[in-house]
Amino acid sequence: ETGVTQSPTHLIKTRGQQVTLRCSSQSGHNTVSWYQQALGQGPQFIFQYYREEENGRGNFPPRFSGLQFPNYSSELNVNALELDDSALYLCASSTPGTGLSPLHFGNGTRLTVT
Amino acid sequence: KQEVTQIPAALSVPEGENLVLNCSFTDSAIYNLQWFRQDPGKGLTSLLLIQSSQREQTSGRLNASLDKSSGRSTLYIAASQPGDSATYLCAVPYSGAGSYQLTFGKGTKLSVIP
Repeated sequence: ETGVTQSPTHLIKTRGQQVTLRCSSQSGHNTVSWYQQALGQGPQFIFQYYREEENGRGNFPPRFSGLQFPNYSSELNVNALELDDSALYLCASSTPGTGLSPLHFGNGTRLTVT
Repeated sequence: KQEVTQIPAALSVPEGENLVLNCSFTDSAIYNLQWFRQDPGKGLTSLLLIQSSQREQTSGRLNASLDKSSGRSTLYIAASQPGDSATYLCAVPYSGAGSYQLTFGKGTKLSVIP
């Protein structure tokens, strides 16, 4: 059983640029969530995708957008990068439902905006 | 709005000690609570998931308890080892959300001294 994989592991971008982060969900999991973790903070929920549609969003501006593909993999896109977007971006996969199974996270993508 | 607090923010103990990490949450209408471990610069590893109907969950040297009425959970680590050094985070589902969103604490950074 393969776990959640994310790519790339590290990324350096310049303010104003756009970035795409990728996530492959754990086998059998059809729901993907994205979280942003700033240094020294707990992860913050960005959004969740189920059946290729966004079905929940945290307090993030529209320049944060995503996609989910038929194989349940997902992308996180961030436009017009700002310095405060520098963070560890975590992807988690799960099966839909009421939280009977734990959420499984990938190792994250470290984004640095200069 | 759910808020999660973890005390202490950092903890240093000698190898072999038993220790307790604390987690409190403001909205007791949760249906589970999850404890995670995070190594520096890495993703989150799920340790224990406690359902609201349970009071305790155990995995090896780890024991987590949940008291919904008081809004508290504790993670007990027995016979600590240097390999236990990491940041420990607790998280609860956000009440009222249509999707499965976790609200995290900022974590407790544990150092086990050989």
